[in-house]
Amino acid sequence: GAVVSQHPSWVICKSGTSVKIECRSLDFQATTMFWYRQFPKQSLMLMATSNEGSKATYEQGVEKDKFLINHASLTLSTLTVTSAHPEDSSFYICSALDRVSNEKLFFGSGTQLSVL
Amino acid sequence: DAKTTQPTSMDCAEGRAANLPCNHSTISGNEYVYWYRQIHSQGPQYIIHGLKNNETNEMASLIITEDRKSSTLILPHATLRDTAVYYCIVRVAYNNNDMRFGAGTRLTVKP
Repeated sequence: GAVVSQHPSWVICKSGTSVKIECRSLDFQATTMFWYRQFPKQSLMLMATSNEGSKATYEQGVEKDKFLINHASLTLSTLTVTSAHPEDSSFYICSALDRVSNEKLFFGSGTQLSVL
Repeated sequence: DAKTTQPTSMDCAEGRAANLPCNHSTISGNEYVYWYRQIHSQGPQYIIHGLKNNETNEMASLIITEDRKSSTLILPHATLRDTAVYYCIVRVAYNNNDMRFGAGTRLTVKP
C-alpha cells in the first residue's frame, strides 16, 4: 500500500522554541495533505488542510500563526509549531490524499511532541 | 458533529470473528463508509471502504445495509494484534474532502 513518511517520530523541546514536522508521500503524489493532533485517550482532531502551492485552511480554534503549514511540493508538507509551550505537547499526525483516486487517505506514523 | 455512532468498546475471543457495528443514519448518497484502525501510538491504518455494495479484502469485510444507514466491519479471525481502536467514518470521496474522526470502538482481542 501507499506509504506516508513522517519525521521525526518524537521530539522533546524547550518552551519557546520552534519544531518542524515533515510529512512525505513516498510513492504517490498528494495535492492535499491533512494535519491532525491527538491527546491521550482521545480521537484525532483535524487541525488544517494543506493544498500544494496554496495557503492552508485551518479549522476553527487552530491558530494559523502558531501552527505554520507549508506544502511546497506534491510530496511534502511541513508543520511548524512556533514558540511551543507545554500545552502544545501532543501526538501530531499527517495524512495524504492520493490525487489519482481521491478516495483513500494514508496516514503517517505520527510525531510525539513533548514541550518542557 | 459526529456523523457516525459506534460502541465505545468491544471484546472478542482470539480466533473468532469480530463484528464491529457503525450507525450512520444521516449518510448522504455520495458519501462512502471508511474504516480505519489505530494501534496505540501509531498513525491510523486503512482497512476498507465502500459506497453501497459489500466489500472484502485481505484484512476484512464490510457489510453495508441496503438503506446504507448502518454497516458492520468483520474481522474473520481476530488475533491479538487486531487489538486497536476502530474508526468508522463517512466521507465524500472527491473535491479533496477531509476525513473527520469520531470516538471509535476500542476492540480488545482476548486469548
